[in-house]
Amino acid sequence: NAGVTQTPKFRVLKTGQSMTLLCAQDMNHEYMYWYRQDPGMGLRLIHYSVGEGTTAKGEVPDGYNVSRLKKQNFLLGLESAAPSQTSVYFCASGTTGTVLTFGAGSRLTVL
Amino acid sequence: AQSVTQLDSQVPVFEEAPVELRCNYSSSVSVYLFWYVQYPNQGLQLLLKYLSGSTLVESINGFEAEFNKSQTSFHLRKPSVHISDTAEYFCAVSEPQGGSEKLVFGKGTKLTVNP
Repeated sequence: NAGVTQTPKFRVLKTGQSMTLLCAQDMNHEYMYWYRQDPGMGLRLIHYSVGEGTTAKGEVPDGYNVSRLKKQNFLLGLESAAPSQTSVYFCASGTTGTVLTFGAGSRLTVL
Repeated sequence: AQSVTQLDSQVPVFEEAPVELRCNYSSSVSVYLFWYVQYPNQGLQLLLKYLSGSTLVESINGFEAEFNKSQTSFHLRKPSVHISDTAEYFCAVSEPQGGSEKLVFGKGTKLTVNP
C-alpha cells in the first residue's frame, strides 16, 4: 500500500547512545518532514526537506540531524540521546498544495 | 511566525450531543487550514481542509468547519457525536512560501464522548 513507513516503531535508548529513524515514502513526494509529539504540546517541526539533497531546520532542531540522500527517504539522527528526546516522532510527506501524509509514528524512550 | 491556538485542551461530551472544537490562528496573509484527527495509538489522519472557495467545509463523517477570515478562526463542529469520535483533534495552518509549505499545529483538543 502507498504511504509513509517509519522504522523502527519502538526503541529504548540509554542517555548518550545514538540512533537513526528512517522514513520512507513511495508517493514521489517532494517534501518530507519530521515532527515530534509530546503531551500537551501538539506536533512540533524538527527538520524538513523540500527535495532530494536539501534539508532545513524547523522549530526544534537542536540535538537532531537529518539527511535526504534519496527522494523517497528522510533520515532523522540522534547523535547523543537525552531524556528530553523521549517522544513520539512522526514523519510526513507531501507536494505543493496537497495534504501531508503521515506515518504511524515511532515511539522513542531515552533512559 | 504562524501560530495556532486551540482554546480547549479537553472537551467531554455525551453521545449524540453537539460539539464545537475551537481554533484560532495568527496570520495576515492567505493560509491553508486543516483539521487532523488522531485515534489512540495511531498516526494523524486528515479530517478536513480549507484551501480556497467555500468557507464551509465538510468531512465524510459529519464534521464541518467554517473559515472566518475576519476572526481568524476555523472552528470544528459536529451536530451529534458518537462514541467512536473519541480522539485527539489538531488544527493546523500552512502558509505557502515559495514552494515549500510547513504545517504549524495547535496543541490539540482531546474529545471524549461518553455514553
